[in-house]
Amino acid sequence: QQQVKQSPQSLIVQKGGISIINCAYENTAFDYFPWYQQFPGKGPALLIAIRPDVSEKKEGRFTISFNKSAKQFSLHIMDSQPGDSATYFCAASEPGGSYIPTFGRGTSLIVHP
Amino acid sequence: NAGVMQNPRHLVRRRGQEARLRCSPMKGHSHVYWYRQLPEEGLKFMVYLQKENIIDESGMPKERFSAEFPKEGPSILRIQQVVRGDSAAYFCASSGPRGTEAFFGQGTRLTVV
Repeated sequence: QQQVKQSPQSLIVQKGGISIINCAYENTAFDYFPWYQQFPGKGPALLIAIRPDVSEKKEGRFTISFNKSAKQFSLHIMDSQPGDSATYFCAASEPGGSYIPTFGRGTSLIVHP
Repeated sequence: NAGVMQNPRHLVRRRGQEARLRCSPMKGHSHVYWYRQLPEEGLKFMVYLQKENIIDESGMPKERFSAEFPKEGPSILRIQQVVRGDSAAYFCASSGPRGTEAFFGQGTRLTVV
């Protein structure tokens, strides 16, 4: 039972292009949606996060778009750079004291120079 | 301002031995989460602990795996009688009193030979 579905599994983008990663969730109790970036041999690092009360959040070249009715959210990386090449994970968590993040399967992004 | 510290970074065990993985949360964090990551897969939740309490262990295998977070000292994930299928990267994350942002350690890469 996969509560957070992420696509695509892998993505190749040219430098300067836009990278788009999509996630869908099932649990309507989720109210916190972070994205993590992971480089090989490293732990996941929090990149950007959103709550359902807003439809979009932007931090630098990274933007989260959120569609509550469709239960979908996506990460857009504008002007993608080779240094952005990493694995990206979407996650979701629900309140109630635990906030245990449930992760998608991850997207391996390669940005060609 | 140390982050989440995990040790050892790499651990090799023979089948049947015990593996002990340690995690020191960020200063001020009282919530600890353990995840397992297999190659080409996402992060699978294992257990959520607060000081001296296991809050949610729904992701822990029923046998051979145990976790603790004592009043003093790091959180420990213990795997008894390891098998080849236990080979994976094990990540620990911590968060503050209200959860939300979970910060990850660098992980322990367990290899069972």
